[in-house]
Amino acid sequence: DVKVTQSSRYLVKRTGEKVFLECVQDMDHENMFWYRQDPGLGLRLIYFSYDVKMKEKGDIPEGYSVSREKKERFSLILESASTNQTSMYLCASSLSVRGRLAGGPGETQYFGPGTRLLVL
Amino acid sequence: AQSVTQLDSHVSVSEGTPVLLRCNYSSSYSPSLFWYVQHPNKGLQLLLKYTSAATLVKGINGFEAEFKKSETSFHLTKPSAHMSDAAEYFCVVSGGSQGNLIFGKGTKLSVKP
Repeated sequence: DVKVTQSSRYLVKRTGEKVFLECVQDMDHENMFWYRQDPGLGLRLIYFSYDVKMKEKGDIPEGYSVSREKKERFSLILESASTNQTSMYLCASSLSVRGRLAGGPGETQYFGPGTRLLVL
Repeated sequence: AQSVTQLDSHVSVSEGTPVLLRCNYSSSYSPSLFWYVQHPNKGLQLLLKYTSAATLVKGINGFEAEFKKSETSFHLTKPSAHMSDAAEYFCVVSGGSQGNLIFGKGTKLSVKP
């Protein structure tokens, strides 16, 4: 079974703090993703990565950055947290042949349990 | 461009009665379609996926979905609801920017005893 873990289930931070959310997958997947989930909006893609040290912007990258130094680990960074970044953050991974588009047709994504972040 | 619309934000059924969660998609080519389920305070779990093989797709926990190209629909059904089915369900289509997945806004399923 694929296992995707996230470093924290709940996190409380103050406005202006730098926040790190960590995600680790244990199935040698090439693609990794960060989403945020808000009521009534579904999941929105922040960033994704299809290889070590590679990253691509998703639909809502503003205010976020990412780091992928190792294949199994994908970090989401909030450089200066703001209250509108209070949300549920979900990490996912998928298996892909090197060079294919991340999350291409038929690609199943496997999700971690999520981190609920509150920014005060 | 690809998009997905879940027609109901909330569906309530009684235990033992059928479940129907509706999803319509828009795609400029033959898409891959998924249903994911999210139980309270949990991550998303894949229920089933369609990738242009059989149009009736069977998933886990007795759920199934039928791909209807003429109606651009991919509705999720289950003959008999169980209390443990109470969760939020997401319809997903592949093919967003750079080939990523596009999620619907979710349908919350409540199951009454």
